[in-house]
Amino acid sequence: AQSVAQPEDQVNVAEGNPLTVKCTYSVSGNPYLFWYVQYPNRGLQFLLKYITGDNLVKGSYGFEAEFNKSQTSFHLKKPSALVSDSALYFCAVRDYIRDSNYQLIWGAGTKLIIKP
Amino acid sequence: KAGVTQTPRYLIKTRGQQVTLSCSPISGHRSVSWYQQTPGQGLQFLFEYFSETQRNKGNFPGRFSGRQFSNSRSEMNVSTLELGDSALYLCASSLGEGLINEQFFGPGTRLTVL
Repeated sequence: AQSVAQPEDQVNVAEGNPLTVKCTYSVSGNPYLFWYVQYPNRGLQFLLKYITGDNLVKGSYGFEAEFNKSQTSFHLKKPSALVSDSALYFCAVRDYIRDSNYQLIWGAGTKLIIKP
Repeated sequence: KAGVTQTPRYLIKTRGQQVTLSCSPISGHRSVSWYQQTPGQGLQFLFEYFSETQRNKGNFPGRFSGRQFSNSRSEMNVSTLELGDSALYLCASSLGEGLINEQFFGPGTRLTVL
C-alpha cells in the first residue's frame, strides 16, 4: 500500500542546534513530496516541495529537505533551530490511484519542540 | 490579499442529516482541494476541483461530494451523516494544480455529528 511514514511523534531539540524531522514514503512512480507546518492556532503552511531536479530543496524559514531515492526518504532539516520553529510538521506525497486520478497522502505529523 | 476562508467555522449535526461546507479560495486561485482531519486517521485527501471540474478524488464514499463554481468558490456536501464524519474539514487553494503546487489552507470547519 502507498504510504508516508513520520517515525517520530515528537522531536526535541535545543535552540541553536541542527534539527531533522524524518519522512519516508512508499509510492509507485516518481514521487512529488511536500512539507507543511502547522503552528498553534494557525492553519497549515507550505514549507517546500520536491518535484524533480536537485535533491536538496530549500524552503521557507530556513528549512531545507533532502530527497533520497534509494532510501525513499525526504527528511526536513534546519542548521540552527529557533524556539519559534516549535510546531507540528507534516510530510505529504502525491500518489497515483488510477485512471489519471491522484491523491495526496499525509504522514501522521511530528511535533517539534525547540527548548531555549 | 485575503486568505482562504471557510464557512461555517463550527457545525453540529445529527446522524442521517446532510451538511454543506463552503470554501472561498484566494483571489485568482483556480484549484480548491478538500481534506478531512481526525485524531485517528490524520489528514486525508477528499477531492480537488480545478476550473469547475473535479480533477482528483480520494478514497471516500459517494456520500462525500463537492462542486466548484465559476468564481472558484467551492462547496463540499456530506449526505447521510455518520458519527465517524466528525472531523475538521480543511480546504486549500492553489494557483495551479493543487497536488503539485503550494497549497494555501483555510482555518477549517469543525463538524460534530451527534
